[in-house]
Amino acid sequence: EVQLVESGGGLVKPGASLKLSCVASGFTFSDYWMSWVRQTPGKTMEWIGDIKYDGSYTNYAPSLKNRFTISRDNAKSTLYLQMSNVRSEDTATYYCTRVNTIAAIYWYFDFWGPGTMVTVSS
Amino acid sequence: DIVLTQSPTTMAASPGEKVTLTCRASSSVSYMNWYQQKPGASPKLWIYGTSKLASGVPNRFSGSGSGTSYSLIISSMETEDIATYYCQQCCSTLTFGSGTKLEIK
Repeated sequence: EVQLVESGGGLVKPGASLKLSCVASGFTFSDYWMSWVRQTPGKTMEWIGDIKYDGSYTNYAPSLKNRFTISRDNAKSTLYLQMSNVRSEDTATYYCTRVNTIAAIYWYFDFWGPGTMVTVSS
Repeated sequence: DIVLTQSPTTMAASPGEKVTLTCRASSSVSYMNWYQQKPGASPKLWIYGTSKLASGVPNRFSGSGSGTSYSLIISSMETEDIATYYCQQCCSTLTFGSGTKLEIK
């Protein structure tokens, strides 16, 4: 059974840094691209970025690429999201997702973790 | 970025009623994916590649469309279909629609 479990969320002050983790199980982690998606309290969904299965390539939403960094440790089946200089608008639930790319034709998120909540407030 | 506009924002349907949810893109996209989210839960893949049902999705659901206009269709509404449905386009800068909340009448 595929499982993705995020951790590391909480209350942080504006300008601080935070690192989220996502432990994967039930599949060969190193075979898959992975992604982070966030959902604001108002339910707006925003893609943050992706990382290639071997960690050699990352792609980010333009509005976030200067502050957010995605990495992975395939030996630990763990995905990370480093957030820096956080702002109130970063308040959201952060989801770790597995990317499925069938024959490089379709790209979609086939499994999602339960999410970890990040609240940015002074 | 490609903007996805979903309509209606909210709708209520009676059991057995046919339901059509729409997603319009600001520019042409190759295909559309859909996710179902129930209150307090994370989203689930529902339809990918415009018309392919994810594993476990009832066959009363279908997807169609091309270019800038896509639809998720429920042939006969059931209580368990109460949820918010989001469309999502790929690629380059991936974006989501704002969702359609589906309620039972």
